Amino acid sequence: AQTVTQSQPEMSVQEAETVTLSCTYDTSENNYYLFWYKQPPSRQMILVIRQEAYKQQNATENRFSVNFQKAAKSFSLKISDSQLGDTAMYFCAFSGGSNYKLTFGKGTLLTVNP
Amino acid sequence: DSGVTQTPKHLITATGQRVTLRCSPRSGDLSVYWYQQSLDQGLQFLIQYYNGEERAKGNILERFSAQQFPDLHSELNLSSLELGDSALYFCASSVGRANTDTQYFGPGTRLTVL
Repeated sequence: AQTVTQSQPEMSVQEAETVTLSCTYDTSENNYYLFWYKQPPSRQMILVIRQEAYKQQNATENRFSVNFQKAAKSFSLKISDSQLGDTAMYFCAFSGGSNYKLTFGKGTLLTVNP
Repeated sequence: DSGVTQTPKHLITATGQRVTLRCSPRSGDLSVYWYQQSLDQGLQFLIQYYNGEERAKGNILERFSAQQFPDLHSELNLSSLELGDSALYFCASSVGRANTDTQYFGPGTRLTVL
């Protein structure tokens, strides 16, 4: 069974600074996908970024980028130029193998301070 | 806005009752997934339907059932409700049935059982 671990329950960052959220996972699958979802106070789940395991190049989406280390089974999210609207719970998620579901970590609550 | 709609937004009911949550997937998406988010269990996969057929089952209680209709909307039925069923229920949709398809989430239905 796949597991996803987010070791930082809470983090804070000053506006305009950079912050990195950590995620590790465990799987025996070779073909899988990793995701970061954001859940702001509105509770909506919003896709931030996704990474295909077979791709060596790290995914980027504007101010969001990942550091994917396949051998270490690590998938961290870097947010550059943090904005107040980035304040949210961030979930790391895994999908792969015979599992069609998303397996989520417990989340990291990020607060961006003015 | 992800394009996935869920109704109702909020539901308050009593123990022992039965409720139905409704989800309409994004236009063109054939898969629908249901997830439960609670404080103690986190985000958990309940069930997946693809083009009207049950595709995968997760931690779904026997008191819960779901279906996907010919127009691809889905309903999650929760019966004999208990206090512990209070949670945020998300519907997500994806274009196909592959575990590599990105899932887009609806705004959720907050269920409160009193």
